[in-house]
Amino acid sequence: DAGVTQSPTHLIKTRGQQVTLRCSPKSGHDTVSWYQQALGQGPQFIFQYYEEEERQRGNFPDRFSGHQFPNYSSELNVNALLLGDSALYLCASSQGRDLEYFGPGTRLTVL
Amino acid sequence: QKEVEQDPGPLSVPEGAIVSLNCTYSNSAFQYFMWYRQYSRKGPELLMYTYSSGNKEDGRFTAQVDKSSKYISLFIRDSQPSDSATYLCAISRSGSARQLTFGSGTQLTVLP
Repeated sequence: DAGVTQSPTHLIKTRGQQVTLRCSPKSGHDTVSWYQQALGQGPQFIFQYYEEEERQRGNFPDRFSGHQFPNYSSELNVNALLLGDSALYLCASSQGRDLEYFGPGTRLTVL
Repeated sequence: QKEVEQDPGPLSVPEGAIVSLNCTYSNSAFQYFMWYRQYSRKGPELLMYTYSSGNKEDGRFTAQVDKSSKYISLFIRDSQPSDSATYLCAISRSGSARQLTFGSGTQLTVLP
């Protein structure tokens, strides 16, 4: 049983560009959450998707948007990239009260 | 004030030592408490989960929660070099559709 998978593993972009990160949840999970982890910091909650809708959102600007597909996979889009957006982006999936499983993350570098 | 504060470390101990990792939180609305282990360049891995005050043990790991003091701890007995990682505490208000609030992490090195 595959766990949470994320792609790409690593990405380099320049300021002002747009980026799309992808996540496939663990089999049987219907809820996907995205987190941003800056170097040396704990993950920060960006938003959560359930039934193809954004259910909760953390304190992130509208440049951060997402989508969930009918197969429960999800995308995170970041527009107008800033240097400060450089981080490890983590996807976590869950089902009901089951605990979250995290993917390996996508490391984004903005130059 | 951050919602959860974690002892920053780094922490370096000899193999076999007992390790204590600690976090405090500010809001009594937080009812669910977790500890994650994160190896370098990997995603967090859940170690312990509890929602009540008291101790919960799993092998060499013990999670301790004191809701009256808003204080959570993770103890590692007989620490091993393979325990070297960053440990993150996380808290949540709800038991489902969780929005996790993480501490900043404590980097632990266990020396052989």
